[in-house]
Amino acid sequence: QQQVKQSPQSLIVQKGGISIINCAYENTAFDYFPWYQQFPGKGPALLIAIRPDVSEKKEGRFTISFNKSAKQFSLHIMDSQPGDSATYFCAASTNQFYFGTGTSLTVIP
Amino acid sequence: DAGITQSPRYKITETGRQVTLMCHQTWSHSYMFWYRQDLGHGLRLIYYSAAADITDKGEVPDGYVVSRSKTENFPLTLESATRSQTSVYFCASSPGTGVGGYTFGSGTRLTVV
Repeated sequence: QQQVKQSPQSLIVQKGGISIINCAYENTAFDYFPWYQQFPGKGPALLIAIRPDVSEKKEGRFTISFNKSAKQFSLHIMDSQPGDSATYFCAASTNQFYFGTGTSLTVIP
Repeated sequence: DAGITQSPRYKITETGRQVTLMCHQTWSHSYMFWYRQDLGHGLRLIYYSAAADITDKGEVPDGYVVSRSKTENFPLTLESATRSQTSVYFCASSPGTGVGGYTFGSGTRLTVV
């Protein structure tokens, strides 16, 4: 059973557009929600993370929106750039991480 | 260099052979993890270790064995490789569990023929 459900599986966005990736969870014990970015041939790298007592966190062009009542959180990439083309994973954790299935983002110049 | 290193980067092995994937970290992180990455499944936890000589099963442990005699090393062994174990394997480390971020290695692409 997938603990964290991620959508869409793939996403194509024009340069300068907004990329939005969504995740949903069921376990209310989760207390940490990170997003990872993975480039081809590399391991995932922590991008941004949020705790459930905060509804939004912004770091540069990357924003996490968190809806505790809906048990959903999303990653927004503003002004998307070709260099943002990568696979993005959401995750949720209690004492271990549970990852979503990943979203392949392609930003077209 | 500080970091987490995996070896080999690529490995082709035959069905039924034993193969060991290596993971080494230089931060003295307590926790180390092995994940496999497959299309449509994301990252699935195979085994993890909270400290030297302490290991525990993750979501998909069958067919794998781990050991951790030293804090910095966490090898993963496939005792008798099967084609279903063809995957990309990632090692990760963390100073704690469930908080902060995991630091991942660059992965080992294993093909079982």
